[in-house]
Amino acid sequence: QITLEESGPTLVKPTQTLTLTCTFSGFSLRASGVGVAWIRQPPGKALEWLALIYGDDDKRYSPSLASRLTIAKDTSNSQVVLRMTNMDPVDTATYYCAHNYGSKIVGYFDLWGRGTLVAVSS
Amino acid sequence: SSELTQDPAVSVALGQTVRITCQGDSLRGYYATWYQQEPGQAPVVIIYGKNNRPSGIPARFSGSYSGNTASLTITGAQADDEADYYCHSRDSRGNPEFGGGTKLTVL
Repeated sequence: QITLEESGPTLVKPTQTLTLTCTFSGFSLRASGVGVAWIRQPPGKALEWLALIYGDDDKRYSPSLASRLTIAKDTSNSQVVLRMTNMDPVDTATYYCAHNYGSKIVGYFDLWGRGTLVAVSS
Repeated sequence: SSELTQDPAVSVALGQTVRITCQGDSLRGYYATWYQQEPGQAPVVIIYGKNNRPSGIPARFSGSYSGNTASLTITGAQADDEADYYCHSRDSRGNPEFGGGTKLTVL
């Protein structure tokens, strides 16, 4: 059974760096097509994909946010970490991590964590 | 902004059929995945691939394609189908992208 759980601060100040951790179980992040993604959703707004890391360490970033994002995996601890720099109030959102099932071409997010709400405010 | 376009809101009478569409050039080459999201909950996959439903998803949900448009059809909408629906596909680089979401109201 695959599970994912997000953890991190609930409040960050503008200009600070956000660090979120996704702790997963039930799969190994080693195979090429297996991946973990970060997706966010501002209150009342749409889902936005942020970053994705595959088992072969291939990393993908949303072009609009790439300069602010870093994704990394810690396979031994079954964790994926996302860092987002220079946080702004518009980054207030629920941040989800999700398991990428399938391949790099036709994969989809079959299982999601419950999400963690991060507010950005001074 | 999303390269996948969805109508912001759609309504359907209880028991009737409704189609939710997702339009984008990437859909000419990649399948769409459809997610249902209820308030305060994480999204749940309801359709993936050509027209596949995960275990536990009712058969009234189906997917189809025409040109650059993917469609999610609910045949015989129920009250608990009222939710937000998102399409998801891949861009030309294989990176994920989501549609802007459709809020379905069941009247």
